[in-house]
Amino acid sequence: AQKITQTQPGMFVQEKEAVTLDCTYDTSDPSYGLFWYKQPSSGEMIFLIYQGSYDQQNATEGRYSLNFQKARKSANLVISASQLGDSAMYFCAMREGLDQGAQKLVFGQGTRLTINP
Amino acid sequence: ETGVTQTPRHLVMGMTNKKSLKCEQHLGHNAMYWYKQSAKKPLELMFVYSLEERVENNSVPSRFSPECPNSSHLFLHLHTLQPEDSALYLCASSQARGRHYTFGSGTRLTVV
Repeated sequence: AQKITQTQPGMFVQEKEAVTLDCTYDTSDPSYGLFWYKQPSSGEMIFLIYQGSYDQQNATEGRYSLNFQKARKSANLVISASQLGDSAMYFCAMREGLDQGAQKLVFGQGTRLTINP
Repeated sequence: ETGVTQTPRHLVMGMTNKKSLKCEQHLGHNAMYWYKQSAKKPLELMFVYSLEERVENNSVPSRFSPECPNSSHLFLHLHTLQPEDSALYLCASSQARGRHYTFGSGTRLTVV
């Protein structure tokens, strides 16, 4: 079973609008972390935002916020006031076993976001 | 510059060649990872090294051979690859129990 599911292969948004990218996850581990990365055409994976399973408040980083709904196992990324430079692939990822040693990140399939002028 | 440097950025190799990908981090991290990103597929974990010991080998064919001589360097040795091995190979590093994973820019590999 897939651990991370991103159901939107592509999204088209008008510049300056807000956009929500969906992510659902599956884990039985009570201790996990959720990540969002941006990947422009250059290939580099750029860290955007992190949410820990025990965090009480939704994470925010500038224009990025994470809508964390633990009971629904969803961790949607919200980008406010989108810009042309936001056009890229966006990946949701999860790390289980936060209190353990080195643990891999498991990634979703990604969403290609295109911002139109 | 992210703090994780991968070389080369692009590589074209024949199926009988032997080449190596290099990853170097100067972030003081003690865990390093190789990921493979093929077209239209999620990133696939290949190897995890923690404190220079391989802790995970994700059923990767033996034509891929990792090496981690110290906590700052990670190599992926390639030999007798197949065309389906063409992909973007991404290196990442983190603290073993940290929540910050830093990725390099990747090596785009083409096998001809």
